[in-house]
Amino acid sequence: KAGVTQTPRYLIKTRGQQVTLSCSPISGHRSVSWYQQTPGQGLQFLFEYFSETQRNKGNFPGRFSGRQFSNSRSEMNVSTLELGDSALYLCASTSTGDIGELFFGEGSRLTVL
Amino acid sequence: KQEVTQIPAALSVPEGENLVLNCSFTDSAIYNLQWFRQDPGKGLTSLLLIQSSQREQTSGRLNASLDKSSGRSTLYIAASQPGDSATYLCAVHDWGGNMLTFGGGTRLMVKP
Repeated sequence: KAGVTQTPRYLIKTRGQQVTLSCSPISGHRSVSWYQQTPGQGLQFLFEYFSETQRNKGNFPGRFSGRQFSNSRSEMNVSTLELGDSALYLCASTSTGDIGELFFGEGSRLTVL
Repeated sequence: KQEVTQIPAALSVPEGENLVLNCSFTDSAIYNLQWFRQDPGKGLTSLLLIQSSQREQTSGRLNASLDKSSGRSTLYIAASQPGDSATYLCAVHDWGGNMLTFGGGTRLMVKP
């Protein structure tokens, strides 16, 4: 059974540009959540999507947005990139069972120059 | 707002030692708690999940306990090996969606 797949794995952008990251969840998982990991702030929750609807949102500016498609694949977008957006962006998928275990992908490493 | 703290932030031990990693959280009304391992530059690997109704979970050399009333969880690693070297993260899953609050992690180094 394939795990959570994130693309691209690495990317370099310049300030002011925008970026789109993609996440394919484990087959059958309908919940996808996104996290940002930086050395200074650690792991912080961005947002969660379930059945194409945003269910929860973390404390990030409106430049950070996301969506989920009918096949549960999700994308997140960051517009007007800032140097501080350099981070590892992690996606997790969750089954709809009672346990609520989250499974993470390898992440997308974004560097903003 | 849930806050999660992990102590110690870093730990260096010789191979073979048994060790305990600590995690504390401020709001005891949790759904479950997960322990993860992260290798440098990699994603998170789920190690153990303890549901709110459980007291402990075991997987091989790993044992995690949960005391909701005191807001604490511990991860016990038996007979540590150099391959256990990684960062260990504790995450609390609150009710109302799949949103985790993470601790800062414990960076473990096991020396041969």
